[in-house]
Amino acid sequence: QKEVEQNSGPLSVPEGAIASLNCTYSDRGSQSFFWYRQYSGKSPELIMSIYSNGDKEDGRFTAQLNKASQYVSLLIRDSQPSDSATYLCAVFNQAGTALIFGKGTTLSVSS
Amino acid sequence: NAGVTQTPKFRILKIGQSMTLQCAQDMNHNYMYWYRQDPGMGLKLIYYSVGAGITDKGEVPNGYNVSRSTTEDFPLRLELAAPSQTSVYFCASRIRQGYEQYFGPGTRLTVT
Repeated sequence: QKEVEQNSGPLSVPEGAIASLNCTYSDRGSQSFFWYRQYSGKSPELIMSIYSNGDKEDGRFTAQLNKASQYVSLLIRDSQPSDSATYLCAVFNQAGTALIFGKGTTLSVSS
Repeated sequence: NAGVTQTPKFRILKIGQSMTLQCAQDMNHNYMYWYRQDPGMGLKLIYYSVGAGITDKGEVPNGYNVSRSTTEDFPLRLELAAPSQTSVYFCASRIRQGYEQYFGPGTRLTVT
């Protein structure tokens, strides 16, 4: 069974700072990685996907993947109070048919 | 498009009762999923389906049943509800070739 591990937090950063969210996974064969954002009381929404080693940038968000270390991270630059949410890391299951999620890291950005 | 819809939004069940959580999508997605989310926890996969007539178990299938008679609908059945099934239930879907799973708004279920 694949496992995805995240520090549950909460992670607290001041407005304008860089927030760094980390995730490790157990299956070396995993190829696709995803970050979902979930506001309190709402459903998850996809914000980033990454498949290759290195960095992928999208606006204020950067996903980083290191397959050798089985580590994926999400950086949020210029953090805003509206970024306060729970961030879920996910990988595909063995068959590639469904996502397996970590427990999520709660981010709090103070103004 | 309505996307992924779920009914009801909230429900309180007594121990031993049964109910069906409804999920529908109008995006012609092949794959559909049921997850549960307990407070402070991530999403646990209950069941999923890769097309009409095909279903498979996820991480936590015990106490639940599903069926997929059409592409659009994927109901989740709870038999003999137990307090351990108190949770928020999310339905999701995606196309076969894609990777983004689209989530419904969730059903908050309490079993007392």
